[in-house]
Amino acid sequence: GEDVEQSLFLSVREGDSSVINCTYTDSSSTYLYWYKQEPGAGLQLLTYIFSNMDMKQDQRLTVLLNKKDKHLSLRIADTQTGDSAIYFCAESTSSASKIIFGSGTRLSIRP
Amino acid sequence: SQTIHQWPATLVQPVGSPLSLECTVEGTSNPNLYWYRQAAGRGLQLLFYSVGIGQISSEVPQNLSASRPQDRQFILSSKKLLLSDSGFYLCAWHFQGVTGYTFGSGTRLTVV
Repeated sequence: GEDVEQSLFLSVREGDSSVINCTYTDSSSTYLYWYKQEPGAGLQLLTYIFSNMDMKQDQRLTVLLNKKDKHLSLRIADTQTGDSAIYFCAESTSSASKIIFGSGTRLSIRP
Repeated sequence: SQTIHQWPATLVQPVGSPLSLECTVEGTSNPNLYWYRQAAGRGLQLLFYSVGIGQISSEVPQNLSASRPQDRQFILSSKKLLLSDSGFYLCAWHFQGVTGYTFGSGTRLTVV
C-alpha cells in the first residue's frame, strides 16, 4: 500500500537553512504536501506541489520533487525560532479521497 | 470562507466512560470529512472518513465509531473508553477542487 516516510528529528542553528526530507512509494501520486503542526495545535497546510513540477518556491520555503526517486524535500531558509514545529509530508492521488501522511519530522532550533 | 470547528479542546475521561467528539464545517457543502488520531510524539493515524451523509469508512478497527448525521457534522464516539484511546484527535475536511485538507484545532483526550 501507500507509504510516506520521513526522519523523526532535525536540529538546526538559528539562521541556517533547514532541509526536511521525505520519501513516498505511490508512483501515481498527484499532489505532495507539507504541513506544519505547532505544539497543541492542528495541522496547517504550508505548501504543496503537483507531481509534474520539480520545484516550487514560496518566500523562505522551497519544495523540491524528484519523481524518479519518489523523494520530496522542504527547505526553510534563514530558520527562525518560530519555525520550531513538526512538519508532515503527505501525498494523494487525484482520484483518492484520502491523503497519506508521514510520521512527521520534529524541527528544533538552537541558538 | 470555510471554517472548521472542533470541541471540546481538552477532555479527561475515566476508563469505561462514553465519548462524543463533534466536528462541524461552515462555508462549504458536501465536503469529505476525516477523523485522525495522533498519539504522543507520533504521526497521524486515519481513523474514519466520510464522503457523504451516512457514509463512513473505517480505517482501523477499534472501539471507536463515527457518524455523519448532517452534511457538515462529523461525530466520533465510543461506548467505553480504553486507556489506549488517549491522544490528540483531529478533524479535517476536504472538498473536491480544493488542494489539501483543512484541519480543526484538535481535542486532547486523556483517559484515566
